Formats: sequence, C-alpha cells, structure tokens
Amino acid sequence: GAGVSQSPRYKVAKRGQDVALRCDPISGHVSLFWYQQALGQGPEFLTYFQNEAQLDKSGLPSDRFFAERPEGSVSTLKIQRTQQEDSAVYLCASSPPGLATNEQFFGPGTRLTVL
Amino acid sequence: DAKTTQPPSMDCAEGRAANLPCNHSTISGNEYVYWYRQIHSQGPQYIIHGLKNNETNEMASLIITEDRKSSTLILPHATLRDTAVYYCIVRVAPGVTGGGNKLTFGTGTQLKVEL
Repeated sequence: GAGVSQSPRYKVAKRGQDVALRCDPISGHVSLFWYQQALGQGPEFLTYFQNEAQLDKSGLPSDRFFAERPEGSVSTLKIQRTQQEDSAVYLCASSPPGLATNEQFFGPGTRLTVL
Repeated sequence: DAKTTQPPSMDCAEGRAANLPCNHSTISGNEYVYWYRQIHSQGPQYIIHGLKNNETNEMASLIITEDRKSSTLILPHATLRDTAVYYCIVRVAPGVTGGGNKLTFGTGTQLKVEL
C-alpha cells in the first residue's frame, strides 16, 4: 500500500515568505508527527496529532510555526515569515492505532531552503 | 527519555556482520530500546525494538545487556543497501504511565558498507 507522502519534495523560499508543507499519512493512522532535521543532525520533534487533536506542540521553535490536521488525516505545517535558520528537511510520520510496536512510518521529507 | 551514546561512524565489509553499539546507562525500567535507520535522502525507517530480552526480526537482531545499560544492533550479512545512519533511541512505550509518543533522535552512527 501507499506510504506517507509529502509535498512538495523541495521548496525554495525567500526570507520573509510564508510556506505550507503538506503531509498525507497512511490511511487509518491516527497519530501524526512532524520533525525538523537540520543538515548533519538527527530529526527533532516539532508536534504531534492524535486524529485532529494537537496533543503536543512543545517542539515548535517559534510562533511562526503552525500545524493543523482539521479532519484527522492530511496535515499541513505552515511557517510564516521564513528565516534562513528554518532551512531544513521537514519530516512527517504516522503511526497506526494500538500499542503494538509504536512504529512510526516516515515520509521522504520536504527540503526547505530559505534564501 | 534516557540519553544514548553511539560512535559517529563505522565501516563494514559487504557480507560480514555489522555490530552497532549503543550506550544507554541511564535507562529506566519502563524504557524500551528502539533502532531506526535513515538512508540518504529518505525518512527514517523502523528496524527493531526491545525491553530486556534479545529480539530478532527479518532485518536485524537486538542484543540488550543484562543490566540494560547498553545494546548492540546486529545486521548479520550487511549489504551495500545497508549503508545508512543508524539511530538508537530509548523511550517509554505508549500506554505506560508517563509515556510519550515522540522519538528523540541523537546524531546516530553512519554505517558505511563497502565491497
């Protein structure tokens, strides 16, 4: 079946522009996560949804970052007034219901470059 | 979540076993050891996880020491496609009191498999 998809795969923005990054999780997965990965570093947690509820947004670096998942499926990560330090790969992951392995399934990421 | 320590890089000859160590000396009794890997330009991929017993699946084996302060991920017959960054993560499983859902990645071990 289809995995987690993200779009666009690459985004170049001028400093100060707003961007919106989309994540399509695996169908039926109730948990959705966003991570930010700077060059040469491991991914860092940004925010977590369970269905449409945003249960943890402790990793969002500033109030310029906003995430939503209004119908409990597709999610959008929005960054307002982008800065050069926002340049990174933004990864989305989803997880099925139940306690089994709690495996997170990751998408390929969106590489954001802010000029 | 407990902190983990991994060597920054390792080399392995194709066809040989790759043994990737991880130290997690501050692990708590209810924390699991998870391993993920990230192939270049892809999102992380779940490999295996365990609590205290050794585990094996189609991808790898996980050996956890009796005191649970360290573990080793074993790829029994490494191939060129196993070249990736391997992340050891310690976290509380979901459903356990105080458990979280996010993954806390370090910088991982860059495994290079060569001919």
